Amino acid sequence: NAGVTQTPKFQVLKTGQSMTLQCAQDMNHEYMSWYRQDPGMGLRLIHYSVGAGITDQGEVPNGYNVSRSTTEDFPLRLLLAAPSQTSVYFCASKERESPYNEQFFGPGTRLTVL
Amino acid sequence: GQQLNQSPQSMFIQEGEDVSMNCTSSSIFNTWLWYKQDPGEGPVLLIALYKAGELTSNGRLTAQFGITRKDSFLNISASIPSDVGIYFCAGPLAGGTSYGKLTFGQGTILTVHP
Repeated sequence: NAGVTQTPKFQVLKTGQSMTLQCAQDMNHEYMSWYRQDPGMGLRLIHYSVGAGITDQGEVPNGYNVSRSTTEDFPLRLLLAAPSQTSVYFCASKERESPYNEQFFGPGTRLTVL
Repeated sequence: GQQLNQSPQSMFIQEGEDVSMNCTSSSIFNTWLWYKQDPGEGPVLLIALYKAGELTSNGRLTAQFGITRKDSFLNISASIPSDVGIYFCAGPLAGGTSYGKLTFGQGTILTVHP
């Protein structure tokens, strides 16, 4: 299993541009999440999904859209990129019945918005 | 909102020394999780705690769930160079861990000098 994969690994955008961060998992996990990591602030939940067709907002959802058309994929869209969205983005997945509430994190996408 | 405060923010130690870090919250948590993040990677779960007063070990790592349910501690014994990284505490966002919705502390950056 590849686990949780994210693309691209690095990205530079100009203010106002749009892009999609890709996330895929091959573990058949129902739950998937997006977090952003900023220096000195830990990870903060952006959006999450409990299954195909179901998404909801986390702590910091503004400026981001998500959709979940398949179990495997959970893309994160930035429609109008802003410098405040410069961050490292992590996707995570979790099995519904995981006894240890363990989430598996991807390797991250490092985004810079100029 | 829920906030987790970790201390210290950073530690510089010699190989072989023991390490202690802690995490406190203004609200009660029913689950405490400790993650480690290696440079350039996503967080990996180290220890999960589910009961007040619980003491759990994973090799050289030991974590405790505070009796008040508002704090947790992580100890690393006999540190080695590969212990370098950022250590995060985490707990469930309102709504529980069943969906994998987590809130994270700011992290403790650990540097180990050979």
